[in-house]
Amino acid sequence: DTGVSQNPRHKITKRGQNVTFRCDPISEHNRLYWYRQTLGQGPEFLTYFQNEAQLEKSRLLSDRFSAERPKGSFSTLEIQRTEQGDSAMYLCASSLPPRLAGTTDTQYFGPGTRLTVL
Amino acid sequence: DAKTTQPTSMDCAEGRAANLPCNHSTISGNEYVYWYRQIHSQGPQYIIHGLKNNETNEMASLIITEDRKSSTLILPHATLRDTAVYYCIVRRNYGGATNKLIFGTGTLLAVQP
Repeated sequence: DTGVSQNPRHKITKRGQNVTFRCDPISEHNRLYWYRQTLGQGPEFLTYFQNEAQLEKSRLLSDRFSAERPKGSFSTLEIQRTEQGDSAMYLCASSLPPRLAGTTDTQYFGPGTRLTVL
Repeated sequence: DAKTTQPTSMDCAEGRAANLPCNHSTISGNEYVYWYRQIHSQGPQYIIHGLKNNETNEMASLIITEDRKSSTLILPHATLRDTAVYYCIVRRNYGGATNKLIFGTGTLLAVQP
């Protein structure tokens, strides 16, 4: 299976610690997205990369959050000085740009990383 | 992007067709209707999308009304594994200002044995 992969799948940390998550997109997908999902809610957009360029960031992405995609392949999402409110599922998705006029870029999601901040 | 309205929950008997409605009365001409589902503790799974014509794939059918203000996702023979939250999302095409998906709270479909 060559779908989107995310590591780790689960992370438990203490408040104030830093955590880093990794996302490997589907091969050749040059668009990569991060979303966050809290209990009972739908996923919320955090940020978007096209190749290595970070083109959009949500206001949800506070100064403690940073995302990178240095070579345009895998991406990392780091949270510094974690707070209990950061506990959530962090989802990554990837897509190809549309290749024909009138088509769209469908996003495919990974399994997510569940973060618990104690 | 246009907002969508979905019922909070629905039940369906196993083996029967599941018809999940979605209202998107403010949809504009270049916005697509996407459906995803999310099985408990997993990432969202893409199901199908369409612009104005009805669409069918191996997972489901998407029926979009002529005025495009509403749509219905049809799972022709629901199984217990189809129990999930189903999200209807309206999104601009690639030329739009944003590429993100805006999820609501979706419809929890419970398939009953």
